[in-house]
Amino acid sequence: GDSVTQMEGPVTLSEEAFLTINCTYTATGYPSLFWYVQYPGEGLQLLLKATKADDKGSNKGFEATYRKETTSFHLEKGSVQVSDSAVYFCALSSNYGGATNKLIFGTGTLLAVQP
Amino acid sequence: DSGVTQTPKHLITATGQRVTLRCSPRSGDLSVYWYQQSLDQGLQFLIQYYNGEERAKGNILERFSAQQFPDLHSELNLSSLELGDSALYFCASSARVGPYEQYFGPGTRLTVT
Repeated sequence: GDSVTQMEGPVTLSEEAFLTINCTYTATGYPSLFWYVQYPGEGLQLLLKATKADDKGSNKGFEATYRKETTSFHLEKGSVQVSDSAVYFCALSSNYGGATNKLIFGTGTLLAVQP
Repeated sequence: DSGVTQTPKHLITATGQRVTLRCSPRSGDLSVYWYQQSLDQGLQFLIQYYNGEERAKGNILERFSAQQFPDLHSELNLSSLELGDSALYFCASSARVGPYEQYFGPGTRLTVT
């Protein structure tokens, strides 16, 4: 079945460091890919999305490119801030064969940014 | 604010009891999803409704059920509760069925003692 694998955390960085959180997926068909962020005590917020190969999603300085050849959707940010500290979830949605477009999530990666 | 509301925010109950979680989707969204977040299982899809009809089921126990009402709000009913049902339950909504982004509510934290 469809699945998402993302790098284990926690990831600890100093402010203004470069961030990469790796995400790879397995899916039948052509899924849409998402990054969600969960701040402490809150629900999930959509960070960015990409719906087809080579699409680049971007928001708030974060970027991710849909790479079909490597089945990856890595999250990057050039300069992290303390306020970026949160748990980041990679997810896919596939409607292949008429199935539901439920979201399948990775395990989440905790990012801690130190001043 | 995603526009999705969930009540209550916290719920503490005893084993064997039954509870109802409520969700109101974003204005105009027809599709509602329920997810469970726990430490051991992560985020798991439970069930989806579209315009009042069940669309798909995921890892939902037989003790759990849901429905979507004509005004599009949804309720998740959990019965014969066990300690292992303690988790954060999220509702999400999207405009249509398809690979569209889903917007999540703040969640209901259920603690079964």
